[in-house]
Formats: sequence, C-alpha cells, structure tokens
Amino acid sequence: QKEVEQNSGPLSVPEGAIASLNCTYSDRGSQSFFWYRQYSGKSPELIMFIYSNGDKEDGRFTAQLNKASQYVSLLIRDSQPSDSATYLCAVPTGTASKLTFGTGTRLQVTL
Amino acid sequence: DAGVTQSPTHLIKTRGQQVTLRCSPISGHKSVSWYQQVLGQGPQFIFQYYEKEERGRGNFPDRFSARQFPNYSSELNVNALLLGDSALYLCASSLGPRQETQYFGPGTRLLVL
Repeated sequence: QKEVEQNSGPLSVPEGAIASLNCTYSDRGSQSFFWYRQYSGKSPELIMFIYSNGDKEDGRFTAQLNKASQYVSLLIRDSQPSDSATYLCAVPTGTASKLTFGTGTRLQVTL
Repeated sequence: DAGVTQSPTHLIKTRGQQVTLRCSPISGHKSVSWYQQVLGQGPQFIFQYYEKEERGRGNFPDRFSARQFPNYSSELNVNALLLGDSALYLCASSLGPRQETQYFGPGTRLLVL
C-alpha cells in the first residue's frame, strides 16, 4: 500500500460546480496534511493545510480531514477554468520536514 | 518579498556529466529541502538541510549530494548523470527543521541526453 494515494484523474467538472478531490494515507500517526496546486510546467503551490478533524475553509477551498478513516479531501466551490491543474496531497512522514506526496489528481474545469 | 529562488531554470546535460543546482530560501527560513519530480508523479524527497547539517535523506543513490551555506542557501549536486535523472528538481524552504509547511521554488528542469 502506498503511503499517500490519490486518483490520478482527470476529474472533469463544469464551471461553477463543486470539485471534490480525495486522498488516503496509510500512517495512522499522521498529524498534518497539505494540499498543493501545480499548474502544468510549474512548481507546486501551497493552498491549504489541515491538522484537526473536521473542515477548514479558506475562500472557495475547504479541506476535510477524517483521521479515523484516514482520508483527507479538498473541495473547490464555484470551480473556475483557472482551477484546472494537478492537486497534490502531501503528508509529513519520518522527519517532520519530509513530505510524502501522492501522484496528484488532474482537475479539468470545463466551460 | 522574494520567495524561494532556484537557478538555473533549465539545464541540458549528457550522461556521465555532473550538475549543480542552486536554491535560496525565503528570507528568515533556515531549512531547505530538495525534491525530484518526474513526469506524472508527485515530488520525491531527496534531502533536508538545516543549519548546514543534513537532517534527512530520501532513497536516492550516493551520486546525489547537497550542502547548505551560512546564508541558508543550498546546492544540490548530482554526479554521473543517468537518463533517469531527467526531472524537475524542486527546492522547498521552511522556517525550521521540524516546520512542516514548505514553500517551493520554481524548480530546475534537468534533461539528460
């Protein structure tokens, strides 16, 4: 089992809809979780992090964490074409500064 | 307010050559981590440095080495390049050695022919 798993997609949603991106992790001891957005040919950009069970909202983005089920999700409300990118889930493993990434989910927002 | 900077942005090398990549962290950040990202995959951890000391190493061969300077900038060196070393090399900075929130630079795209 991979440490961090994501569906590679592509996930296609119409403009204005809610995009739901999911990530599961294997280490029950994981305490924090990060979502990065990566546009094609660019580097990852941090968009959200979450430490506690439940929801964390930041603008159109909501991160949801369920430690009992070992999954974290990212919801994007009112999806825009500019949200089209690959979304990477990352979990600190081993030393706190080592992030283990999933393969990323490619999101396509269609007009 | 400058973010993480990396140089060069692109690099083409041939097999067997050596390459040095450079990174300057965000002002005030003392920790630098290096990642390798091949097409279609998430970044893979290579090294973390803090206060000029190696604090973590990923599953990469000894051909990969790094160092950090007193001004917290860092270099990643790869010897005896292989075709499989072609990737985007990312530098990430964070406040301290156990600060998990990492901010990435623009990366160096390395092509090995």
